[in-house]
Amino acid sequence: DAGVIQSPRHEVTEMGQEVTLRCKPISGHDYLFWYRQTMMRGLELLIYFNNNVPIDDSGMPEDRFSAKMPNASFSTLKIQPSEPRDSAVYFCASSQGLADTQYFGPGTRLTVL
Amino acid sequence: KNQVEQSPQSLIILEGKNCTLQCNYTVSPFSNLRWYKQDTGRGPVSLTIMTFSENTKSNGRYTATLDADTKQSSLHITASQLSDSASYICVVTSLHASGGSYIPTFGRGTSLIVHP
Repeated sequence: DAGVIQSPRHEVTEMGQEVTLRCKPISGHDYLFWYRQTMMRGLELLIYFNNNVPIDDSGMPEDRFSAKMPNASFSTLKIQPSEPRDSAVYFCASSQGLADTQYFGPGTRLTVL
Repeated sequence: KNQVEQSPQSLIILEGKNCTLQCNYTVSPFSNLRWYKQDTGRGPVSLTIMTFSENTKSNGRYTATLDADTKQSSLHITASQLSDSASYICVVTSLHASGGSYIPTFGRGTSLIVHP
């Protein structure tokens, strides 16, 4: 397996624009997680899915953030409208079970100007 | 409030030397403790996962210990290599059985630099 795949790897956008981050989890993994990492706050869990169903989105910072998982092999994290404080590295991870090893993707570095 | 404190914040050692990283936590209820290695510009990679009943777990030259009574964990790296230069992140997880919620509390990491 190629591991968790994220795209794009880098995204530069202007404030107010819509941003969509994409993730393909490892095949057979039932759980998918979205994290954000910044120098100020470190790693933070945003939302996670079990079998394509969102379980806990309490980490999503604002209504400007939304995530979907239309099928077992694809998830998106959307920010609309984007703001400079959204600049961060966004990671997607997947695992077989909730207590199992999580495999992280390479991340998307988002810069909002 | 759940917290995870890691020390030292940064560490520089010579290649071939051993080192130990610390993680203290106040997380309740406790489910497991994870150590990750994160190379610059890459995603975190899992090193170990330890549950309440486990005291020690090894992964090659990495050995993690857990003292659930004192709520402390350590990550020992033996015979360090240049490739060990990375950030090491401790994550303590709560799992609420009733709701099945996964609640991770992240440490800020220890930055390790191994010099030749």
